[in-house]
Amino acid sequence: NAGVTQTPKFQVLKTGQSMTLQCAQDMNHEYMSWYRQDPGMGLRLIHYSVGAGITDQGEVPNGYNVSRSTTEDFPLRLLSAAPSQTSVYFCASRTSGGFNEQFFGPGTRLTVL
Amino acid sequence: QQPVQSPQAVILREGEDAVINCSSSKALYSVHWYRQKHGEAPVFLMILLKGGEQKGHDKISASFNEKKQQSSLYLTASQLSYSGTYFCGTEYSGSSNTGKLIFGQGTTLQVKP
Repeated sequence: NAGVTQTPKFQVLKTGQSMTLQCAQDMNHEYMSWYRQDPGMGLRLIHYSVGAGITDQGEVPNGYNVSRSTTEDFPLRLLSAAPSQTSVYFCASRTSGGFNEQFFGPGTRLTVL
Repeated sequence: QQPVQSPQAVILREGEDAVINCSSSKALYSVHWYRQKHGEAPVFLMILLKGGEQKGHDKISASFNEKKQQSSLYLTASQLSYSGTYFCGTEYSGSSNTGKLIFGQGTTLQVKP
């Protein structure tokens, strides 16, 4: 199993550009989530999904879109990048139910100039 | 809203003990604990459920106080490998099947020889 994979590992964007961060998991997990990590702020939930076709907003959803057309994939789209979106982005997945650990991808380090 | 972790940072000598607390203003269903090393993804340590069930690490223990809506992580006889940032993640009662896991701001632990 590859676990949770994310691409790219690093990305530099200019203000106003759009891009998609890719996330895939091969563990057949129902739940998938996107977090951003900024110094001193911990991990903040952007969007999450409980299954294909079902997504919902987290704590900081503005400026980001998601879709979940398959169980395996959960891409995060930045519509018009802003310097405030400079961060490390983590995708995560887990099996449904409250007693199951969450697996994190390796992260994408995004810089918006 | 995010759970609140305390302390924000701890410095220990090898062999000393530490306690990290995680408090919520909302009723909790479960608490997850993760550790993150610099430049890496968070890694699972423990899950605690309302009602007392636990699953996780055999060298690190934790408690869940339902009356106070608080969890504590106990690191005993600390080793150099315990250094990192510890995060608690919370699922709230009523949202236990939504996949929504909200993390605190983190506690940085440094263990010195």
